[in-house]
Amino acid sequence: AQKVTQAQTEISVVEKEDVTLDCVYETRDTTYYLFWYKQPPSGELVFLIRRNSFDEQNEISGRYSWNFQKSTSSFNFTITASQVVDSAVYFCALSEGQAAGNKLTFGGGTRVLVKP
Amino acid sequence: DSGVTQTPKHLITATGQRVTLRCSPRSGDLSVYWYQQSLDQGLQFLIQYYNGEERAKGNILERFSAQQFPDLHSELNLSSLELGDSALYFCASSAGLAGGAYNEQFFGPGTRLTVL
Repeated sequence: AQKVTQAQTEISVVEKEDVTLDCVYETRDTTYYLFWYKQPPSGELVFLIRRNSFDEQNEISGRYSWNFQKSTSSFNFTITASQVVDSAVYFCALSEGQAAGNKLTFGGGTRVLVKP
Repeated sequence: DSGVTQTPKHLITATGQRVTLRCSPRSGDLSVYWYQQSLDQGLQFLIQYYNGEERAKGNILERFSAQQFPDLHSELNLSSLELGDSALYFCASSAGLAGGAYNEQFFGPGTRLTVL
């Protein structure tokens, strides 16, 4: 069965500091997809990034970057130069290959508080 | 704005009652998913429909049912409500059936259900 673990329940930083969120996943599939979603205080879930299991290239998108390592089953997410608007709960999620459909298994979430 | 709409935003009802939550997917999306977010269970997948047919089931109680109509909107029916059913219910949609490129799930704003 698939499982996603976010060990950090809450992180508090001062504006402009970098924040790295940890995510560890378990799956038996060789083809799977990893996601990060953001849930601001308003409650909606906002899609941030997606990564395929066969592409370990790490990327940067604006102030967001991610580090995907299959060897350690980790998919960490970094916010560079954090801003107050980044305050939210961040969820890591996993979906397996086509045979398993596209359901998302979420981690428990990490609450990020960015103080001015 | 994700393009996924959910009604109502808030729902307050009593134990033993039945409610219907409604979801309209993004234009062109054929898959609809329902998730439940509660304090003790976190974000959990309930059920997926694709083009009118049920495709995957998660931890959905027998008291809960869903359907997807020909116009692709979906309804989640919750009956014999209990206090523990109080949660935020999200609908999400994606273009296709299974995981893959361009098949991210986009979430609606959610319906907050309170059972008194």
